[in-house]
Amino acid sequence: KAGVTQTPRYLIKTRGQQVTLSCSPISGHRSVSWYQQTPGQGLQFLFEYFSETQRNKGNFPGRFSGRQFSNSRSEMNVSTLELGDSALYLCASSLAVGDSKTEAFFGQGTRLTVV
Amino acid sequence: GENVEQHPSTLSVQEGDSAVIKCTYSDSASNYFPWYKQELGKGPQLIIDIRSNVGEKKDQRIAVTLNKTAKHFSLHITETQPEDSAVYFCAASSKKLIQGAQKLVFGQGTRLTINP
Repeated sequence: KAGVTQTPRYLIKTRGQQVTLSCSPISGHRSVSWYQQTPGQGLQFLFEYFSETQRNKGNFPGRFSGRQFSNSRSEMNVSTLELGDSALYLCASSLAVGDSKTEAFFGQGTRLTVV
Repeated sequence: GENVEQHPSTLSVQEGDSAVIKCTYSDSASNYFPWYKQELGKGPQLIIDIRSNVGEKKDQRIAVTLNKTAKHFSLHITETQPEDSAVYFCAASSKKLIQGAQKLVFGQGTRLTINP
């Protein structure tokens, strides 16, 4: 069974540009969450999608957005990039069926560097 | 909102000894507590989890304990091996969220080094 797949693995962007990251969840998983990991702030929750709807959102500015497609694949977008957006962006997928199925499995992440 | 504190930030133990990492959480509504292991260049890997209706859970050399009254939970690794060296994260998730919703609040991480 394939794990969570994130593409691309590495990205270098310039300040002011925008970027789109992609995540394919484990087959059958309907929930996709996104996290930002930095040395200073650790792992921080960005948002979660389920059945193409955003169910939860973290404390990030509106420049960070996402969406989920009917096949559960998800994308996140960051517009007007800032140097501080440099981070490892992690996607996690979960079966999310009822209260007992909340195990989240992470992909390897996309390393974004803003220069 | 929910806050998770994790200690220590670094831990060095001799191979074969035990390692203990502790976390406290602030939201009494939290009901799910996973632990993740992250190796260099990889995403976090779920190694064990515990729910609020259980006080302890064990899987081979790894065990997790939960004290709901004190709002803290701990990871215990026995008979440590060099391959246990990694960064470990605790996390908590609240049942106040709609059923099945996924929002993990992570601790700051513990860098565990196993010395041969």
